[in-house]
Amino acid sequence: DIQLTQSPVSLFASVGDTVTITCRASHHIAGRLNWYQQKSGVAPRLLIYDASRLQTGVPSRFSGAGFGGEFTLTISRLQPDDFATYYCQVSFNSPFTFGQGTKVEIK
Amino acid sequence: QITLRESGPTLVKPTQTLTLTCTFSGFPLEDSEEGVAWIRQSPGKALEWLALIDSNDDRRYSASLRSGPTIIKDTSRQQVVLRLPNADPVDTGTYYCAHFVRIYNYVTGYNPRAFDIWGQGTMVTVSS
Repeated sequence: DIQLTQSPVSLFASVGDTVTITCRASHHIAGRLNWYQQKSGVAPRLLIYDASRLQTGVPSRFSGAGFGGEFTLTISRLQPDDFATYYCQVSFNSPFTFGQGTKVEIK
Repeated sequence: QITLRESGPTLVKPTQTLTLTCTFSGFPLEDSEEGVAWIRQSPGKALEWLALIDSNDDRRYSASLRSGPTIIKDTSRQQVVLRLPNADPVDTGTYYCAHFVRIYNYVTGYNPRAFDIWGQGTMVTVSS
């Protein structure tokens, strides 16, 4: 099975900062990696699919990159609404594992 | 507009079968390249993919599920049902269903592109 390792587990940032979250896959998964945002008590929301494609309605300050085994999610000009937990997820093949999450908190 | 809504018991005793229903609208789940997945989140933990079924009746399950889970679809009722036999306290959590579009790759076959639309979730506690 493919394992995903996210880093960091948590980070502190200020409004206006640029933050980057990394997701490493244990095997080659081409570009089959998705990113989700989850706020406390609410269902997750798809942000990025196929490593770098922005889901409809998601602000352009979110961007994804990577291929093969290492991927990044970058949030530019952090907004108050962006403080949440972010998960990566593999869609290469079953099982469709999620990473352990990265919590972005206000500094 | 695609919507999904989960329903099920809030409390289940250990060893009972946990039955969860996802009622969907806005897509047919037959003759379409779509499907529905179930994802669980234990309190304070990460998301965990559990199972999925697609319009072609392809069914996949996480190996972490014990005791023979079952996922079925009823397109006339627009529902997907997940049954987890022999419930255990570790099954406590919020259960989400989510829509996906499936895509084909010549190496791996059909797989979901991403879980693009989610229900609001339903909380289940397994306790005696």
